[in-house]
Amino acid sequence: EVQLVQSGAEVKKPGESLKISCKGSGYSFTSYWIGWVRQMPGKGLEWMGIIYPGDSDTTYSPSFQGHVTFSVDKSISTAYLQWSTLKASDTAMYYCARLRIGSGSYYFDYWGQGTLVTVSS
Amino acid sequence: SSELTQDPAVSVALGQTVRITCQGDSLRTYYPSWYQVKPGQAPVLVIYGQNNRPSGIPDRFSGSTSGNTTSLTITGAQAEDEADYYCNSRDSNGNYVFGTGTKVTVL
Repeated sequence: EVQLVQSGAEVKKPGESLKISCKGSGYSFTSYWIGWVRQMPGKGLEWMGIIYPGDSDTTYSPSFQGHVTFSVDKSISTAYLQWSTLKASDTAMYYCARLRIGSGSYYFDYWGQGTLVTVSS
Repeated sequence: SSELTQDPAVSVALGQTVRITCQGDSLRTYYPSWYQVKPGQAPVLVIYGQNNRPSGIPDRFSGSTSGNTTSLTITGAQAEDEADYYCNSRDSNGNYVFGTGTKVTVL
């Protein structure tokens, strides 16, 4: 069974750093892109970018380029999303999702349960 | 990057049919996908590709695309279909854009 399990909720102060995780299981972790999606309180889904665990190739949304960093640890089938300097505006639910590609179709078929990040002084 | 535009909200009587639309230039090139998001839950893929449903998604959900517009249709809407729905599409720059979202209310 394919599963993406994310790390637990975080409460941080502005200016602090943070790294959240997404652990894949039940499939070949290095063979599928992982995407990150933000949902701010009461708002819609926003695509942040994708990372390919096989070689750490990344594509960032222009809206998030330079503000977040994606990484992976293949040895433990885990993808990471990190911030070096959090802002209150980073308060949101963050999801990871597996990207499937084939026959002109691109879609996120499995999703993590989400990690709630709260940034408040 | 590209934009995908959806109507903010639609309502449907229980058992009736509702169509949710999504417009954007990237839809002329790439098949869309649709996601259902219920409060407090992770998104769920309901339609992908030309008109494909993942295992476990009821066949009352269907999709179609013409030109720059894609539609998600729920035929015989049920109370459990009340949720937010988002389209998504890859664009020519390799970005994956979500639509603005549609809140579906089942009356």
